Amino acid sequence: EAQVTQNPRYLITVTGKKLTVTCSQNMNHEYMSWYRQDPGLGLRQIYYSMNVEVTDKGDVPEGYKVSRKEKRNFPLILESPSPNQTSLYFCASSSGRDRGSDTQYFGPGTRLTVL
Amino acid sequence: GDSVTQMEGPVTLSEEAFLTINCTYTATGYPSLFWYVQYPGEGLQLLLKATKADDKGSNKGFEATYRKETTSFHLEKGSVQVSDSAVYFCALYHRGSNYKLTFGKGTLLTVNP
Repeated sequence: EAQVTQNPRYLITVTGKKLTVTCSQNMNHEYMSWYRQDPGLGLRQIYYSMNVEVTDKGDVPEGYKVSRKEKRNFPLILESPSPNQTSLYFCASSSGRDRGSDTQYFGPGTRLTVL
Repeated sequence: GDSVTQMEGPVTLSEEAFLTINCTYTATGYPSLFWYVQYPGEGLQLLLKATKADDKGSNKGFEATYRKETTSFHLEKGSVQVSDSAVYFCALYHRGSNYKLTFGKGTLLTVNP
């Protein structure tokens, strides 16, 4: 089954404790992205990657890092989480074959609470 | 920059009622337009899309027509069911956007039996 998986699904942590949210896709997609969803703001892009070792900032990259060492995986790293990073996070992927109309496939989401 | 405006709701309907969720956009060039649906506790799923003016996307009884003259992509369904209760997001995407979907804020739909 074609899917995007994220782990963990729920995480409660404390300020300053480094954490990683994993994302993996099994569709051999080139493009991957991270979004955060906040009430009243919709979804906003954090980082994206066009292929292995190619990443760039989205609209809200502050406080986050990413890496793309393998095509299927795109982890999101919070080196020193703060309460304003409490949010619902989604990973997405697409083939990248048609930049005009690609469908993006989303993971189930990770709900992060930073105390 | 690109933006999407959709009615924020919440929208509450009775089963079998007609649904319209308005969506308008601002973008350069000719974006592709999407409706995504988020069921409780789940991720986003593509509901339908349209890639050029006058295209109609349809799926599961939902429809939306890409109207370039009014920069709109309103979502409609003739007869909603309780199982349609979810949050609906309108989004746009175009070449040169670095694969970024620009989303509206979402509309919560609740359908009562």
